[in-house]
Amino acid sequence: DGGITQSPKYLFRKEGQNVTLSCEQNLNHDAMYWYRQDPGQGLRLIYYSQIVNDFQKGDIAEGYSVSREKKESFPLTVTSAQKNPTAFYLCASSIGVLRNTGELFFGEGSRLTVL
Amino acid sequence: AQSVTQPDIHITVSEGASLELRCNYSYGATPYLFWYVQSPGQGLQLLLKYFSGDTLVQGIKGFEAEFKRSQSSFNLRKPSVHWSDAAEYFCAVAGNQFYFGTGTSLTVIP
Repeated sequence: DGGITQSPKYLFRKEGQNVTLSCEQNLNHDAMYWYRQDPGQGLRLIYYSQIVNDFQKGDIAEGYSVSREKKESFPLTVTSAQKNPTAFYLCASSIGVLRNTGELFFGEGSRLTVL
Repeated sequence: AQSVTQPDIHITVSEGASLELRCNYSYGATPYLFWYVQSPGQGLQLLLKYFSGDTLVQGIKGFEAEFKRSQSSFNLRKPSVHWSDAAEYFCAVAGNQFYFGTGTSLTVIP
């Protein structure tokens, strides 16, 4: 079945450590996204990529980095510069530019806890 | 600026009762509107979407939503709620990116 796979589902990190969250899709979608979800704040866009080897900052990119070396993969690194990294992270994809195709498909999320 | 407002943070209904979740949007052009549902610790699943045409759209799990341009609203409805509908519901508008509301948490009382 086609879909989006995020790993790990749960991750614990000590302060000062970088961590990388994996996101893989087999939907053949061009565009991929990372969102952060905190209680009562909805979803906030961290980074997005519309094609391989290209990505753009979203609303809260500080302290995060991404790469898009393959169409299927869009890993997110939470760096030690991120001041409050404990959150639920969601990866999503869409066929192309949102206004033309509309729908986001989501992975099941990764919960990061900083100890 | 584009934005979505969900005025109700939390709603409690009895099983079998009707449900309406409110959503108001701000968008300059014709909006693409969506409702997503999220179970605890899970990703978001699309319930329904509106692009154009009939302003009453049907979705999965017996949900429907009505687009009212004059009120800038896209409220979600279900005539009879089931215990399995307890979840977080998000309204969203698609511009150059997706803009999500802050969500409405639904509790269903047996």
